[in-house]
Amino acid sequence: DIQMTQSPSSLSASVGDRVTITCRASQTISTYLNWYQQKPGKAPKLLIYAASSLQSGVPSRFSGSGSGTDFTLTISSLQPEDFATYYCQQSHSSPLFGGGTKVEIK
Amino acid sequence: EVQLLESGGGLVQPGGSLRLSCAASRFTFSSYAMSWVRQAPGKGLEWVSDISGSSGNTYYADSVKGRFTISRDNSKNTLYLQMKSLRAEDTAVYYCAKEEATMVRGVIIYYFEYWGQGTLVTVSS
Repeated sequence: DIQMTQSPSSLSASVGDRVTITCRASQTISTYLNWYQQKPGKAPKLLIYAASSLQSGVPSRFSGSGSGTDFTLTISSLQPEDFATYYCQQSHSSPLFGGGTKVEIK
Repeated sequence: EVQLLESGGGLVQPGGSLRLSCAASRFTFSSYAMSWVRQAPGKGLEWVSDISGSSGNTYYADSVKGRFTISRDNSKNTLYLQMKSLRAEDTAVYYCAKEEATMVRGVIIYYFEYWGQGTLVTVSS
């Protein structure tokens, strides 16, 4: 079975910082990789699909890259509304989410 | 915009049953596969089950196979999750999600495009 590992599990950053979150698959998944943002008490929200395609309505400061086993989500300039937990999800086989990365205010 | 509204959650004893519903609107429900995804308190996301638009194909996570049944009524634009033999570890917020499939660089990518607000299921004596 494919395993999805996110790192770090949490990070502290300031408004304006560039933030990078990593997701690694235990076997190659091409670009079958999606990213979601979840705020406390809310449902997840799709940010990126197919590793690098920005979902409609999502700010351009969010970007995704990678293929095969290693993927990254980058927030180019962190905004106050971006403090949340971020999950990667592979769709190469049965959907599986990474463990999440909580982005907190420094 | 797409709306998904879950209902049916609540407190149930171990070994009990519960049926969740997800009322969908503002899209052609029968044309899309739908999923249930759950989140235990303070934990991450876990995909539970999905069903094709025509109800012809259903899939389950190993953790719920044989205990949960996903179904849909396209005439009512409603998705269901029948849960039996519930365990404490099934305690979670259950979300329904609309799946999208898009061709990107020659491959079809599946993702959860829209999510409901969730319904809490608590399994406890």
